[in-house]
Amino acid sequence: DIQMTQSPSSLSASVGDRVTITCRASQSISNYLNWYQQKPGKAPNLLIYGASSLQSGVPSRFSGSGSGTDFTLTISSLQPEDFATYYCQQSYSTPRTFGQGTKVEIK
Amino acid sequence: EVQLVESGGGLVQPGGSLRLSCEASGFTFSSYWMHWVRQAPGKGLVWVSRISSDESTTNYADSVKGRFTISRDNANNTLYLQMNSLRAEDTAVYYCAREERATRYFDYWGQGTLVTVSS
Repeated sequence: DIQMTQSPSSLSASVGDRVTITCRASQSISNYLNWYQQKPGKAPNLLIYGASSLQSGVPSRFSGSGSGTDFTLTISSLQPEDFATYYCQQSYSTPRTFGQGTKVEIK
Repeated sequence: EVQLVESGGGLVQPGGSLRLSCEASGFTFSSYWMHWVRQAPGKGLVWVSRISSDESTTNYADSVKGRFTISRDNANNTLYLQMNSLRAEDTAVYYCAREERATRYFDYWGQGTLVTVSS
């Protein structure tokens, strides 16, 4: 199975900050990397697919980059509604493993 | 509008069984691979199982293999997860999710149904 490791596990940031979350795969997954946002009590919501493609309806302040084993999710200017937990997921092979999550909290 | 609505969760004793359902609407259900993902209280997302659009392929996480069975009824637009020999560690919110086949992301999720395994 492919292991996905996110860092950091949590971070504190202020509105307007630039935030970067990293995700590393235990083997190359090409660009089969997706990012989801989850708010408490809600289902996950797709943000980025194929490592860098923005899902329809997702604000342009979200962006993704990387290929192979190392990937990044960037929020260019953090907004109040962005405080949530973020998960990466590889879709290169089954099982479709997720990272452990990064909780973005208000500083 | 695409909708996925799970049902069937509840409280069950260890060793018991439960069948979850996920009713789909707003899209051609029979064209999509479908997945189950679970989330234990306060924990992260864990992939559980998937089924191909024509039911010919199924896969399971090692933690549920031999105990859970995924199936679907394309005529009635419904996905199922039969869960047997339930353990305390199966306690979680269970989500169904649709997979966009070309790039393999989960573009729609249900609201989740809570399964609690406890005596």
